[in-house]
Amino acid sequence: DSGVTQTPKHLITATGQRVTLRCSPRSGDLSVYWYQQSLDQGLQFLIQYYNGEERAKGNILERFSAQQFPDLHSELNLSSLELGDSALYFCASSFGSEVTNTGELFFGEGSRLTVL
Amino acid sequence: AQKVTQAQTEISVVEKEDVTLDCVYETRDTTYYLFWYKQPPSGELVFLIRRNSFDEQNEISGRYSWNFQKSTSSFNFTITASQVVDSAVYFCALSEAQNDYKLSFGAGTTVTVRA
Repeated sequence: DSGVTQTPKHLITATGQRVTLRCSPRSGDLSVYWYQQSLDQGLQFLIQYYNGEERAKGNILERFSAQQFPDLHSELNLSSLELGDSALYFCASSFGSEVTNTGELFFGEGSRLTVL
Repeated sequence: AQKVTQAQTEISVVEKEDVTLDCVYETRDTTYYLFWYKQPPSGELVFLIRRNSFDEQNEISGRYSWNFQKSTSSFNFTITASQVVDSAVYFCALSEAQNDYKLSFGAGTTVTVRA
């Protein structure tokens, strides 16, 4: 158990809909990262928040947004869903703002999104 | 340009055989970090190792060992005396200063260990 909690574990929805994925980082971790794992793109970094502020952006679509709340949990919002958004979405956390600060990045079990 | 290349898509071995997973990376940074993660069938990503660019010592942890060679930009992973529980997808990843140390993952190598 990495200590990173993601909900829901599975989600099935229809095209055009909007969903919210939730992540609770490990106790004491200030950074939250979102990654997307899809068959065609592999594992890709989406976005990072550090202590409530957006820190870095990767290949995140404009239809996607995220935020980190004062209690440090984070939500990834996916809107106007398309078939291609079907993927496993991982949240990860670390204490510092850079992976190097801690030596490892703790990943949650992922939220599997299926868009029909 | 792909930063991390795992040329082997799938490897199948019989239990107790050794298996080596190749990882070749590309970076212009002098400071960078390399990682290996395991993704078992249950789906979670499990951290295995981190190595920084200044430490070329090979590392052994139980049946796992890693060979880091800067001269060939490779960070290979060997599982000795494989077991069925080693069946998983293994990812090599790179973090670099120029990308704010965010992880760039390889495509992964699926290892199947048959009893």
